[in-house]
Amino acid sequence: AQSVTQLGSHVSVSEGALVLLRCNYSSSVPPYLFWYVQYPNQGLQLLLKYTSAATLVKGINGFEAEFKKSETSFHLTKPSAHMSDAAEYFCAVGVGISDKLIFGTGTRLQVFP
Amino acid sequence: EPEVTQTPSHQVTQMGQEVILRCVPISNHLYFYWYRQILGQKVEFLVSFYNNEISEKSEIFDDQFSVERPDGSNFTLKIRSTKLEDSAMYFCASSEGGSAQPQHFGDGTRLSIL
Repeated sequence: AQSVTQLGSHVSVSEGALVLLRCNYSSSVPPYLFWYVQYPNQGLQLLLKYTSAATLVKGINGFEAEFKKSETSFHLTKPSAHMSDAAEYFCAVGVGISDKLIFGTGTRLQVFP
Repeated sequence: EPEVTQTPSHQVTQMGQEVILRCVPISNHLYFYWYRQILGQKVEFLVSFYNNEISEKSEIFDDQFSVERPDGSNFTLKIRSTKLEDSAMYFCASSEGGSAQPQHFGDGTRLSIL
């Protein structure tokens, strides 16, 4: 069965530091992978998606993710954290006939001044 | 930019009562979904809907749950007889369809069962 695993339920960085949020997937077929962000009391907003066109995917707000088949990973990075990046981040894989999303457990990012 | 809207933002209901959560998906989208997020847990798929019928449903989506698209714009989730464990944030999402198309989410309805 297809699934995603997010390592680290909480990540803390200083403003200006590199952000690295980890996601590993399990899939027997080429996966469609997504990163979503959830700000407090809001819904899920799409950051970026991987659909096999390119292994390095650029998203909104300066985030990007690299698809590495050999490592079954799709880690999310941002070179320089901003206070406004503090939120919960979810990795997800699209599966099944209706492409339902299977989410990871989420990583809460804290950014300190 | 078009968005998915959900009403109400917060619903408080007595256990055993019926509740209907409402969603207006993006107008040209073809696939509709409901997910839920119990406090402190991950987002879980409930059901997908296409061409006026259920495409897939999870084990959570038992006989107490139903979905409907009563007109050309609304997409509803009904829980017939609510239980305490139904307390969660419920998210509606829609997409154009196709594996590469992302789902767009509403801000959710927080359902509290007393």
